[in-house]
Amino acid sequence: NAGVMQNPRHLVRRRGQEARLRCSPMKGHSHVYWYRQLPEEGLKFMVYLQKENIIDESGMPKERFSAEFPKEGPSILRIQQVVRGDSAAYFCASSEITDTQYFGPGTRLTVL
Amino acid sequence: GENVEQHPSTLSVQEGDSAVIKCTYSDSASNYFPWYKQELGKGPQLIIDIRSNVGEKKDQRIAVTLNKTAKHFSLHITETQPEDSAVYFCAAATAQGGSEKLVFGKGTKLTVNP
Repeated sequence: NAGVMQNPRHLVRRRGQEARLRCSPMKGHSHVYWYRQLPEEGLKFMVYLQKENIIDESGMPKERFSAEFPKEGPSILRIQQVVRGDSAAYFCASSEITDTQYFGPGTRLTVL
Repeated sequence: GENVEQHPSTLSVQEGDSAVIKCTYSDSASNYFPWYKQELGKGPQLIIDIRSNVGEKKDQRIAVTLNKTAKHFSLHITETQPEDSAVYFCAAATAQGGSEKLVFGKGTKLTVNP
């Protein structure tokens, strides 16, 4: 009974490159949430997706960030032209309908 | 929007003592309040949650209380053990158009001294 899976666990990018973070929800879960955690801070909501639909993206920066959850395959959080301020831990959570959210281990993004 | 305040930011207790962490929220429409434990380098792990139709919930050494009138909720850990040392986050959620996005407090770093 695998939990939420995220990869890569660690990602290093140079300024201006693209970062792609992947999240596979728990089996049977069709709801995915992305959160960002800065050092010594709590988690901040970014986006909520269901299969092929973005339900709530009120926490997403207006530029450079996008997310998808295709019919097949994992959810992807994409950050274009990364800057140093994007360095953070990115967590995905999944749930069954609107219920308890279970978190993955996170991807720690470092921008050089 | 919702705002969650969490106190204290750090808490140090002796093994066997109790630990209490408190949170307040601003949106009276919030109706779901989970608590997560995060160990270094890991993702948040749900330890207990409570919905607004319940005032208290207990699971072994962990309990959560909710006061909707005052808009605050608390985590109680009894008989603390060194393995309870971690950062604990409270959160509040308001279902809006089907989205139960969580708003988190800034966390409490709990240290249990042997």
